[in-house]
Amino acid sequence: AQSVAQPEDQVNVAEGNPLTVKCTYSVSGNPYLFWYVQYPNRGLQFLLKYITGDNLVKGSYGFEAEFNKSQTSFHLKKPSALVSDSALYFCASRDTGFQKLVFGTGTRLLVSP
Amino acid sequence: DAMVIQNPRYQVTQFGKPVTLSCSQTLNHNVMYWYQQKSSQAPKLLFHYYDKDFNNEADTPDNFQSRRPNTSFCFLDIRSPGLGDAAMYLCATSERGNYGYTFGSGTRLTVV
Repeated sequence: AQSVAQPEDQVNVAEGNPLTVKCTYSVSGNPYLFWYVQYPNRGLQFLLKYITGDNLVKGSYGFEAEFNKSQTSFHLKKPSALVSDSALYFCASRDTGFQKLVFGTGTRLLVSP
Repeated sequence: DAMVIQNPRYQVTQFGKPVTLSCSQTLNHNVMYWYQQKSSQAPKLLFHYYDKDFNNEADTPDNFQSRRPNTSFCFLDIRSPGLGDAAMYLCATSERGNYGYTFGSGTRLTVV
């Protein structure tokens, strides 16, 4: 079974500083990994995905993620955080049997001015 | 813009009174999903349709049903809502063989 883990419930960072939101995965076969962001009372917005190819994936709003096979990680990063980046972030993997997404428990990012 | 639309955004229903949430899509995707998300927890898949083929998750309560009358629409029926069913319900679509998923804005259900 596919699973992803987000070890941090919350990440605090000052505006302008780099941010990292961690995700590790456990999948059989090739991993298909995603990051989504959720603002209060809203749906999930797609940020980026890793299917194959370059280990560094660039996505929306200046976010990027690094796929590391040896560490089974897919951490989300941004060089310079904005207060508006404060939200709930979910890492997800696609189940190889069906197309369903399996989500991590989420990490709340708080960016202080 | 092609999108996934959920109506209503907020729904209040009485304990035990049947309620239906709706989802429509203009993407013409063949797979549609319903997720339940409780208070900032991870979204949990309830069921999905591949075209008209219905796939129920093993732990989805019988209280939850779904209908997909055509490619564009999918409904979530909660036959007898309990207080524990209060949650955000998210609809999503994808095209089989593709790796993109599109989510709607969600319907927040309150049970009183």
